[in-house]
Amino acid sequence: DAKTTQPNSMESNEEEPVHLPCNHSTISGTDYIHWYRQLPSQGPEYVIHGLTSNVNNRMASLAIAEDRKSSTLILHRATLRDAAVYYCIPTIYNQGGKLIFGQGTELSVKP
Amino acid sequence: EPEVTQTPSHQVTQMGQEVILRCVPISNHLYFYWYRQILGQKVEFLVSFYNNEISEKSEIFDDQFSVERPDGSNFTLKIRSTKLEDSAMYFCASLPEVQGTYEQYFGPGTRLTVT
Repeated sequence: DAKTTQPNSMESNEEEPVHLPCNHSTISGTDYIHWYRQLPSQGPEYVIHGLTSNVNNRMASLAIAEDRKSSTLILHRATLRDAAVYYCIPTIYNQGGKLIFGQGTELSVKP
Repeated sequence: EPEVTQTPSHQVTQMGQEVILRCVPISNHLYFYWYRQILGQKVEFLVSFYNNEISEKSEIFDDQFSVERPDGSNFTLKIRSTKLEDSAMYFCASLPEVQGTYEQYFGPGTRLTVT
């Protein structure tokens, strides 16, 4: 399993963009990069995923480095509801989709 | 929007007792999972289930644990003889495809407290 490194915590102000980095230097060529988040007292929730190209959806954007050794989750305008632990998870293509969670980054959003 | 449901939301049991945690995955999903999260720790994979059998399990998932899909809609996790260290949040998840490119849908969890 690819190892990931994320900051333990980050802080943001409401309505400002947030860039959450993840280092996954041991990622293999066929691993997808998934991001999940876990709001307080809830189950994890899918945010976005990508393989090589940058991706956008209604929740966030994912910027993937050209060498795929790192990625950045971008929340364009943080809201109080975005306060959560964010997990970057490389997912092995053929392993039935199990998720191996690291410690993640705890994002706090100040009003 | 379809969602994964779990019951009960909180279960308190005495050490040595059997517990069954229940999950109703999203109806057209094919893969099912159990994860657990001990308070203050990371989410850990326990087991995945596909086509009525276990496809993968972690070291945590020992002989005390079993899973079942008894009726085509429910997915259960049984702990035969609970220990204090089984106290955790247990999350069920389901997946529509088996390619690593689709989102897993998680339930709200069952908090298991073993006394």
